[in-house]
Amino acid sequence: AQTVTQSQPEMSVQEAETVTLSCTYDTSESDYYLFWYKQPPSRQMILVIRQEAYKQQNATENRFSVNFQKAAKSFSLKISDSQLGDAAMYFCAYRRTQGGSEKLVFGKGTKLTVNP
Amino acid sequence: GAGVSQTPSNKVTEKGKYVELRCDPISGHTALYWYRQSLGQGPEFLIYFQGTGAADDSGLPNDRFFAVRPEGSVSTLKIQRTERGDSAVYLCASSLWAGGSADTQYFGPGTRLTVL
Repeated sequence: AQTVTQSQPEMSVQEAETVTLSCTYDTSESDYYLFWYKQPPSRQMILVIRQEAYKQQNATENRFSVNFQKAAKSFSLKISDSQLGDAAMYFCAYRRTQGGSEKLVFGKGTKLTVNP
Repeated sequence: GAGVSQTPSNKVTEKGKYVELRCDPISGHTALYWYRQSLGQGPEFLIYFQGTGAADDSGLPNDRFFAVRPEGSVSTLKIQRTERGDSAVYLCASSLWAGGSADTQYFGPGTRLTVL
């Protein structure tokens, strides 16, 4: 079974600075998707960024980018120019591409605090 | 609708009672998912619908949990004989179905269930 590990329960960053959140995963499959979701206190999970495993190029969405290291099974999220609104729980998630079930497997999350 | 909606937002019930949680997916999304998020944890998969049928119910913890989606749109998660351990946030997500692999999952705000 696939597992996702987020080793940092909490992180903090100063406003306007850069922070990196770590994620590792375990799978025997060669093709899959990886995601970072943000969950503010409102509880709604919001997609931040996604990466297809077959793509070597790291995904980027404005201030958010990933460092995808397939061989190391690592998928970290970098937030540049951090803003107060970035404060939330961040979850890393894995999804297989084939096999009938499209379920997401989540890590336990990292709580990000942004200090003014 | 504009997004996934879930009702009620909060539900408090007594041990042993029956509860129903409702999910309205994004219009046109054929895939629907239920997840359960316990305090301090990432969401855990419960069940996945493709259209009206449950394509994967491997995450349902026991036979007290049941979900339906009779017309391929709205879904109801039903919990019988609730226990205190059922207390959690229940999240619903929906996605398009494209070429045999579902697209990004969009989440609702969740229902917080408290069993006294």
